[in-house]
Parts: sequence; structure tokens; C-alpha cells
Amino acid sequence: DAKTTQPPSMDCAEGRAANLPCNHSTISGNEYVYWYRQIHSQGPQYIIHGLKNNETNEMASLIITEDRKSSTLILPHATLRDTAVYYCIVRVTHSGNTPLVFGKGTRLSVIA
Amino acid sequence: KAGVTQTPRYLIKTRGQQVTLSCSPISGHRSVSWYQQTPGQGLQFLFEYFSETQRNKGNFPGRFSGRQFSNSRSEMNVSTLELGDSALYLCASSQGNAVGGPDEQFFGPGTRLTVL
Repeated sequence: DAKTTQPPSMDCAEGRAANLPCNHSTISGNEYVYWYRQIHSQGPQYIIHGLKNNETNEMASLIITEDRKSSTLILPHATLRDTAVYYCIVRVTHSGNTPLVFGKGTRLSVIA
Repeated sequence: KAGVTQTPRYLIKTRGQQVTLSCSPISGHRSVSWYQQTPGQGLQFLFEYFSETQRNKGNFPGRFSGRQFSNSRSEMNVSTLELGDSALYLCASSQGNAVGGPDEQFFGPGTRLTVL
């Protein structure tokens, strides 16, 4: 089962920041927070990941609370092409590979 | 670099038949994972192959199997198809040998299987 809780849907006006919350209250010390998104009928796309520090890349920023029990993905200037289902995933990583366990995600609708 | 490719993109089969799906990972990636996506169950992990060996397996019946070749290309097979096997089958590739750190998975476009 997924170890994260996300709101089922959110709306955001085009050009505004989209803030997508995720609760992972049972996260362990060796588990990372990953974000993926899936645009309709396409394969999921990696966005960003983090352990305990805030992270930023060209797509988004990830803010993780100090106790690591929740995080927020920020899309700074949402466009219509950001309309997608966003998945927050907690994942143990060590030598080798571990599967991604997807929950239901948040369906983000960017509105013109 | 070319992305992950999956063939075929669409497939229609009837109950009882078998099907083979193919995945070509990103060049240099040695790990291939397979996922099934249905409206009811969402995205679920099937199995992962690394260096021609199955390394992780999800909770699916034995009708679902896979293999990986020496060039890292992978196939998955579903035998005795059931109506409930209708789904989008996604393949993801990664380097697969990260030590103590994250290993991003890159997904292909998927194969949409319809079982009639």
C-alpha cells in the first residue's frame, strides 16, 4: 500500500503557483520522497526527489517539513500543460533498486 | 539519448490467448521494471529485471512473467488472458545499481492491451 496521502484533486489558475501537499507521517529515516506526474494516457514523468533538504530543479521545488512527515511540491508558474495527476511516493533506496508504489495521486487542473 | 520505447503501442486479444510485450530501455540502463495501470487498481508494480535476473516481484499471478536479454531489452508475457488483464502496461528503465542513493526510473509510453 502507498505510504502517502494526497488530496484527490486541486485547481490552479494559469500563471499562478501550484502547491501540492503530501502527507507521509510514517516515513522512515532512509526513505526518500519522490514526485512523479502522469499526463493523460502517457507514462509517468519524474519530477523531483528529496531526503530532508528542500530541493529545486528546472521543473519544480520540493519543500519537506523538518519532521519529514509532510512535503509540498511547488510548480512556480503553472501552465495548461501542467494539468496531470501528480504522485507523491515514499521510497527506500539503497544499493540496487526498489519499486515505486503509487497511490491515487492528486489530479491537478490548470485553468486558463 | 533516445527514451524508453515500448512495442506494440496498442493490442487487442481475446480471452484465453497469450501476449508478449516488448520494452527497450534507455541506452546504458540495466534495470527494467514493469507496471500495470487499470482504472480500478491504479499503477501496480509487476516485476523488475536487472542483468537478466528478476530482482523484485509484485503480487501478480504466475500468468504474468518476464525476461531480460543481454542487451537489457525486456519482454513480458501474459498467458491465458482474462478480461481483467485489460490495462496500460508500462515499462520503466533505470541504471539499477545506485549505491546508497536514489535511482530515477524513466517510463515509456506504455502498451494498451484490450482483452475481449
